[in-house]
Amino acid sequence: KAGVTQTPRYLIKTRGQQVTLSCSPISGHRSVSWYQQTPGQGLQFLFEYFSETQRNKGNFPGRFSGRQFSNSRSEMNVSTLELGDSALYLCASSLEGEQYFGPGTRLTVT
Amino acid sequence: AQRVTQPEKLLSVFKGAPVELKCNYSYSGSPELFWYVQYSRQRLQLLLRHISRESIKGFTADLNKGETSFHLKKPFAQEEDSAMYYCALSSMDSSYKLIFGSGTRLLVRP
Repeated sequence: KAGVTQTPRYLIKTRGQQVTLSCSPISGHRSVSWYQQTPGQGLQFLFEYFSETQRNKGNFPGRFSGRQFSNSRSEMNVSTLELGDSALYLCASSLEGEQYFGPGTRLTVT
Repeated sequence: AQRVTQPEKLLSVFKGAPVELKCNYSYSGSPELFWYVQYSRQRLQLLLRHISRESIKGFTADLNKGETSFHLKKPFAQEEDSAMYYCALSSMDSSYKLIFGSGTRLLVRP
């Protein structure tokens, strides 16, 4: 089976802009989770979607949002970007309690 | 509060030496514990989970509920074990939210 894919792999944005990241889960996986990875804060849970519904949400401001489509693909959006949003954003799809991670999208905010 | 603590940022051992990566957790309830590994330039991947009680690549981890620990062990380290190791927990409900430790970099020297 193909693994979790994320697009784009690298992104450079300016403060105040918004960005949309995409994640395609492994075929058959209905749960998609998003994580932010930074050197200072490590890996932090953003949110999880299951069958197009947000099932859990981490402690991030409302500028961070996401959605899931009927084919289980997911997108996350960050509005009004801040310098501190620079990070590696990881997506994971899940089946039976095991999470499979994508390669991540490296977002740089200047 | 839910928390995972990995006290060592870096653990350096010689090839053939035993390895123990420490992980302590704080959680009100019965969590599920995991070890994830990230090799250089590769994506984050599951190494093992406590409920499967399997040994992967010679690594084992035992959940000690009394000490709230889930230390990762290997009797004889190999150079290819050099990687970043993350301990993580999730609640045993239907949500796939992982709380990660800060990670330990294992360096196995020849």
